Amino acid sequence: GAVVSQHPSRVICKSGTSVKIECRSLDFQATTMFWYRQFPKQSLMLMATSNEGSKATYEQGVEKDKFLINHASLTLSTLTVTSAHPEDSSFYICSAKSSGLAGGLGTDTQYFGPGTRLTVL
Amino acid sequence: GQSLEQPSEVTAVEGAIVQINCTYQTSGFYGLSWYQQHDGGAPTFLSYNALDGLEETGRFSSFLSRSDSYGYLLLQELQMKDSASYFCAVRDSGTYKYIFGTGTRLKVLA
Repeated sequence: GAVVSQHPSRVICKSGTSVKIECRSLDFQATTMFWYRQFPKQSLMLMATSNEGSKATYEQGVEKDKFLINHASLTLSTLTVTSAHPEDSSFYICSAKSSGLAGGLGTDTQYFGPGTRLTVL
Repeated sequence: GQSLEQPSEVTAVEGAIVQINCTYQTSGFYGLSWYQQHDGGAPTFLSYNALDGLEETGRFSSFLSRSDSYGYLLLQELQMKDSASYFCAVRDSGTYKYIFGTGTRLKVLA
């Protein structure tokens, strides 16, 4: 149990285009999902916290108009990178917080999606 | 500011025991987690300590000392497949945000 999927796994796009990444919790409901960005050989940097039915909370320095987050249901959050540029190329990872009903690992476990590698040419 | 410091790299041989330390400075604390990440993959959960002491899960153990703002991950009977990056993470007590450590790259040699 406690599986999180992401789609697509890889995407290559031209500069100026928009890219949408989906994050789904497959076998549990996630009222809270997180979006991270990770550059090569660096740690995960939290971009925003996505709450179902409300606006996302963005971390300092993250442009909310550039990284649009929608959490329309208890199992789906989307991140749209608008007008992507080469500096947006990165590994984007989502995670969902277990409510304690899945996985038997308690209430403080994040389950990560497999990540999306974005390359902007 | 909030920070979690880890050694950048650790090297050990198969069968050995290795300890990866994590010292944290955060405004809130709700427990220390450890994650493993292989190159190109996503982090996978290893362990979680909410209280002081040692938690053991198979070959992996994790320790926490809240008074020292310190924890470590202990990997025993190292295998080649353990070569990966390991991150500690602290959950902020006021929100559900997680702050990740700088990460430790473990290399296991034959």
